[in-house]
Amino acid sequence: KAGVTQTPRYLIKTRGQQVTLSCSPISGHRSVSWYQQTPGQGLQFLFEYFSETQRNKGNFPGRFSGRQFSNSRSEMNVSTLELGDSALYLCASSLAWTGESEQYFGPGTRLTVT
Amino acid sequence: AQSVTQLDSQVPVFEEAPVELRCNYSSSVSVYLFWYVQYPNQGLQLLLKYLSGSTLVKGINGFEAEFNKSQTSFHLRKPSVHISDTAEYFCAVRRNSGYSTLTFGKGTMLLVSP
Repeated sequence: KAGVTQTPRYLIKTRGQQVTLSCSPISGHRSVSWYQQTPGQGLQFLFEYFSETQRNKGNFPGRFSGRQFSNSRSEMNVSTLELGDSALYLCASSLAWTGESEQYFGPGTRLTVT
Repeated sequence: AQSVTQLDSQVPVFEEAPVELRCNYSSSVSVYLFWYVQYPNQGLQLLLKYLSGSTLVKGINGFEAEFNKSQTSFHLRKPSVHISDTAEYFCAVRRNSGYSTLTFGKGTMLLVSP
């Protein structure tokens, strides 16, 4: 079974631009979560989608948004990029949203904002 | 809300020596506990998890962890490490009822030298 895939793997953008990252979950998984990983803040939860509905959102500004499609693929968008948005963005999928459901992580998208 | 404290940001150890990575959590409700490993330029991989039952949990790559409810700890151990175990290790917690997100610690970098 194919794992979680994220595209692109690396991205360089200029401050003020916007960016869209994509995540394809493991086949059959309906829950997709997004995390931001930085050296200073560690792993921070962005949002989680289940069956095309956002179930939860972390403490990030409205410039960060996401969506999930009917095939469970998910995208996240960051508008008006700031230097501080430079990070590794990780996507994770799971069968369900319940606590014991294991999350499988993708390799991440490394975003650099200059 | 839950929180996780990983007491050491870095643990240097020699090859074939034993290692313990410490993790303490805080929660007002019962939780599930997880350890993930992240190799350079990769996503997170689940090492092991505690859901219920035996407090000693065995995972992949020879790692094990012990859940101690009274001390709210979930320390990760390996009796003999290899160079290939060099990676960052994350402890995470999630409430075991209802919906909640996965909360991560800041991570511990395990540095194994020959």
